[in-house]
Amino acid sequence: KNEVEQSPQNLTAQEGEFITINCSYSVGISALHWLQQHPGGGIVSLFMLSSGKKKHGRLIATINIQEKHSSLHITASHPRDSAVYICAVRSLKETSGSRLTFGEGTQLTVNP
Amino acid sequence: KAGVTQTPRYLIKTRGQQVTLSCSPISGHRSVSWYQQTPGQGLQFLFEYFSETQRNKGNFPGRFSGRQFSNSRSEMNVSTLELGDSALYLCASSNSRFLGNTIYFGEGSWLTVV
Repeated sequence: KNEVEQSPQNLTAQEGEFITINCSYSVGISALHWLQQHPGGGIVSLFMLSSGKKKHGRLIATINIQEKHSSLHITASHPRDSAVYICAVRSLKETSGSRLTFGEGTQLTVNP
Repeated sequence: KAGVTQTPRYLIKTRGQQVTLSCSPISGHRSVSWYQQTPGQGLQFLFEYFSETQRNKGNFPGRFSGRQFSNSRSEMNVSTLELGDSALYLCASSNSRFLGNTIYFGEGSWLTVV
């Protein structure tokens, strides 16, 4: 079993729909990242969370440390949101900010 | 402010050869980390450098190595290439090796081993 599990693996939505991507992890963490990867390969960091909730535009990320679970929500989805969304965690044991364990990613396709 | 720059973007190598990939971090960032992404294994941490010192290393064989220069630019090297080394290699930088700092990724270097 992977330390970081994401669901769903694939998600197709119609423009305007509310989208939720889930991430569960099995280790104690000091931070969780949500990343976005477009087909060209580059990755953009959307959020870094250690508790609570963060919002940026139409994106909302929440984390429940006790339940070892995080969600990424996209409100009013748009075709340009189509990408792979990746959850990554930093273990409590790590002193380095960059050693992350990644989920397998969620391929999101938003149709017009 | 320029982002993280990786070169080359695409390359094809033959099994047994070696390859060197380069990463220029965001100006002022001293921490550079490297990741490998393959369809089968997903994203995996390779190593991290801070102030020219390797601070952390992932579970990769000794064929994978790297270094960081005084200007924070970093290179990674893979010797005796194997077909399974075909992957997207991503570099990321941050302004501290400590917790709580956002990581900025480059566009990656696509390596194909034939």
